[in-house]
Amino acid sequence: NAGVTQTPKFQVLKTGQSMTLQCAQDMNHEYMSWYRQDPGMGLRLIHYSVGAGITDQGEVPNGYNVSRSTTEDFPLRLLSAAPSQTSVYFCASSYGGAAQETQYFGPGTRLLVL
Amino acid sequence: TQLLEQSPQFLSIQEGENLTVYCNSSSVFSSLQWYRQEPGEGPVLLVTVVTGGEVKKLKRLTFQFGDARKDSSLHITAAQPGDTGLYLCAGAARGTSYGKLTFGQGTILTVHP
Repeated sequence: NAGVTQTPKFQVLKTGQSMTLQCAQDMNHEYMSWYRQDPGMGLRLIHYSVGAGITDQGEVPNGYNVSRSTTEDFPLRLLSAAPSQTSVYFCASSYGGAAQETQYFGPGTRLLVL
Repeated sequence: TQLLEQSPQFLSIQEGENLTVYCNSSSVFSSLQWYRQEPGEGPVLLVTVVTGGEVKKLKRLTFQFGDARKDSSLHITAAQPGDTGLYLCAGAARGTSYGKLTFGQGTILTVHP
């Protein structure tokens, strides 16, 4: 199993550009989520999904869209990139929905918005 | 918003020393997890504690959940250079549904040979 994969690994955008961060998992996990990690702030939840066709907002959803058409994929879309969205983005998945479930994280996408 | 305060933020020690990282909150958590993250990679779960007063050991690492479930600690005995990394605690409030984990700011540990 590849686990959780993310593409691209690095991306530089200009303010106002849009892009999609890809996330895929091959563990047949129902639950997937997107976090951003900024220095001194830990990880903050952007959006999450409890199954195909079902998504919900996390702590910092503004400026981001998600959809979940398949169990395997959970892309994150930046509609109009802003410098404040410069961050490292992590996708995670888990088998169950309980808070104590193990979340499996991808390797991250490092995004710089100029 | 639930807050988790981790301390210290930075820890630089010599191989063989012991250390403790703390994770504190004014809120009660139903469970708390500790993750370790290496540069360029995503966090990896080390342990989950769910019962107040619970102690779990993972080789040289000892994790404790406070009796009131508002705090947790990670103790490393005889640290090794391979322990270097970012340590994160993450808590779930009572009744929290999936995805509502609150992460601490993290502790960057450097163990020098």
